[in-house]
Amino acid sequence: GNSVTQMEGPVTLSEEAFLTINCTYTATGYPSLFWYVQYPGEGLQLLLKATKADDKGSNKGFEATYRKETTSFHLEKGSVQVSDSAVYFCALSEDGAGGTSYGKLTFGQGTILTVHP
Amino acid sequence: DTGVSQDPRHKITKRGQNVTFRCDPISEHNRLYWYRQTLGQGPEFLTYFQNEAQLEKSRLLSDRFSAERPKGSFSTLEIQRTEQGDSAMYLCASSHLGTGDGYTFGSGTRLTVV
Repeated sequence: GNSVTQMEGPVTLSEEAFLTINCTYTATGYPSLFWYVQYPGEGLQLLLKATKADDKGSNKGFEATYRKETTSFHLEKGSVQVSDSAVYFCALSEDGAGGTSYGKLTFGQGTILTVHP
Repeated sequence: DTGVSQDPRHKITKRGQNVTFRCDPISEHNRLYWYRQTLGQGPEFLTYFQNEAQLEKSRLLSDRFSAERPKGSFSTLEIQRTEQGDSAMYLCASSHLGTGDGYTFGSGTRLTVV
């Protein structure tokens, strides 16, 4: 079956530091890949997505590139802010061929990010 | 549109009682999903609907769990004879088949079984 593995957390950084959160996946087909963010007390929000190999998703300074050869979708940001403190989830959906529709999502376990001033 | 709404936000119940949660999706979204999230874990898929048809159910969804979406709009998730292991956050999400916009999640219903 499908699975998503994220790097162990929590991750603690100082403001303006570089962020990488690793994500690797196992899937039988050609999934679409996502990063979701959950701020304290709020629901999950889509941060970015990529629907095919070599696509780069980006939003709010965050980026992730769909690497089929390494089955990875690592999240990066060049300079984090205190407001980026949240839980980050990597996820995949196998119904997302062409990016036109989505079936069930399979999530990683989440990575807690804390950014200090 | 105010997004995906879930009610109640919190529910505390005694073991053995039945509980029902409601989800109101974004009005033009024809797909609706239920997930369960326990502390320190990512959400786990339970079931999803396309319009009023329930298209897939996870093995996690035991026979004590039932979900409906009677008119293809709101959905309910019922848990019968609750157990302490049912304590979790129950998340609802919706999406529109045919667009690339992905899901919109609600804020969830936190269930505590005592």
